[in-house]
Amino acid sequence: DQQVKQNSPSLSVQEGRISILNCDYTNSMFDYFLWYKKYPAEGPTFLISISSIKDKNEDGRFTVFLNKSAKHLSLHIVPSQPGDSAVYFCAATAGGTSYGKLTFGQGTILTVHP
Amino acid sequence: GAVVSQHPSRVICKSGTSVKIECRSLDFQATTMFWYRQFPKQSLMLMATSNEGSKATYEQGVEKDKFLINHASLTLSTLTVTSAHPEDSSFYICSASLSSGGYNEQFFGPGTRLTVL
Repeated sequence: DQQVKQNSPSLSVQEGRISILNCDYTNSMFDYFLWYKKYPAEGPTFLISISSIKDKNEDGRFTVFLNKSAKHLSLHIVPSQPGDSAVYFCAATAGGTSYGKLTFGQGTILTVHP
Repeated sequence: GAVVSQHPSRVICKSGTSVKIECRSLDFQATTMFWYRQFPKQSLMLMATSNEGSKATYEQGVEKDKFLINHASLTLSTLTVTSAHPEDSSFYICSASLSSGGYNEQFFGPGTRLTVL
């Protein structure tokens, strides 16, 4: 049962344009969501997160939007840069005994062309 | 950010042998470490959570006798794949948490590629 889904395996964007990566979840107990970036042969690195009490969080070029009713979140990168090319994972976690346990999506490969 | 290392980065072993993977937090003390497994084109799946000095908590479907986890110190956790079989071939990633809380304070190692022949 895939509780966190990233339905787009890959995304290709021109440098300077906006990249939009999408993520859907099914578990209504999730209350905190994170985006990670992963380069080949490296572990994921934290990018940005959002609590379920918010619908938007912005950090520089990165903005995460959360639509709780649709159980959908998205990561916007603007402007996109070639160095942003990597695999992006969304992850979710719930409170209580599941605190800190991350459920990941399958990842989306972002390629930003110069 | 904090650095987490894994050793080895890549290992090939024969079926039936045991393989130990180390996860170290290099510049901080990790009260909690997590072990994940990633199959090709799939997401990272949490295998177990380990707290220093106590037994690991395994996720449903993960055999604790097959995947032995030891978290003997605040900077080191080990995962031993016992009697490895080809289906255990996967990418194993650990993460270490700075404190008992803080979602954004979970730092990942670079991963270990295990291939069982």
